[in-house]
Amino acid sequence: QKEVEQNSGPLSVPEGAIASLNCTYSDRGSQSFFWYRQYSGKSPELIMFIYSNGDKEDGRFTAQLNKASQYVSLLIRDSQPSDSATYLCAPSRGSGYNKLIFGAGTRLAVHP
Amino acid sequence: DADVTQTPRNRITKTGKRIMLECSQTKGHDRMYWYRQDPGLGLRLIYYSFDVKDINKGEISDGYSVSRQAQAKFSLSLESAIPNQTALYFCATSAGLRTHNEQFFGPGTRLTVL
Repeated sequence: QKEVEQNSGPLSVPEGAIASLNCTYSDRGSQSFFWYRQYSGKSPELIMFIYSNGDKEDGRFTAQLNKASQYVSLLIRDSQPSDSATYLCAPSRGSGYNKLIFGAGTRLAVHP
Repeated sequence: DADVTQTPRNRITKTGKRIMLECSQTKGHDRMYWYRQDPGLGLRLIYYSFDVKDINKGEISDGYSVSRQAQAKFSLSLESAIPNQTALYFCATSAGLRTHNEQFFGPGTRLTVL
């Protein structure tokens, strides 16, 4: 079992729809959970992070965390073609905040 | 703007050559990291440093070494490059204490070993 599991995609959604990206993780000690966006050939860009169970909203993005289920998700509302990228889920490793474990990412394609 | 820079951005080299990748940051962060990214495998941690006197191995440190010359500079060396070290290399920084250790990435170095 991988430490961080993401569906590789591509997840294809129409412009204006909600994109739902999911991630499961195996380390129960993970405290913080990060979502990065990566365009092809570019570096990962931090979108947002969450550390408490429940939802956290930032503009069109909502992160959801359920530590009991070891599940974190990212919702993108009103998806735009510019959102087409690979989204990386990265829980912190262990009980500290020292390191991140990156998933392989889900590729999102938003079509007009 | 506070930033993370990497040099070179692209490098093609031959098997057995020594290569150094450099990372500099103006964010004032204490913590710096080196990752490699291969298609389908995500980002894997090579080395990390929490301050100038602290160097730690990551998941895949074999074949690599690092030097933290100053708070703002962290270099990655491949002593004798081999083809399976062909990858995209990223440097990242974080503020560490009093934050959730969110990491910020440089633009990357695309390394090809022939």
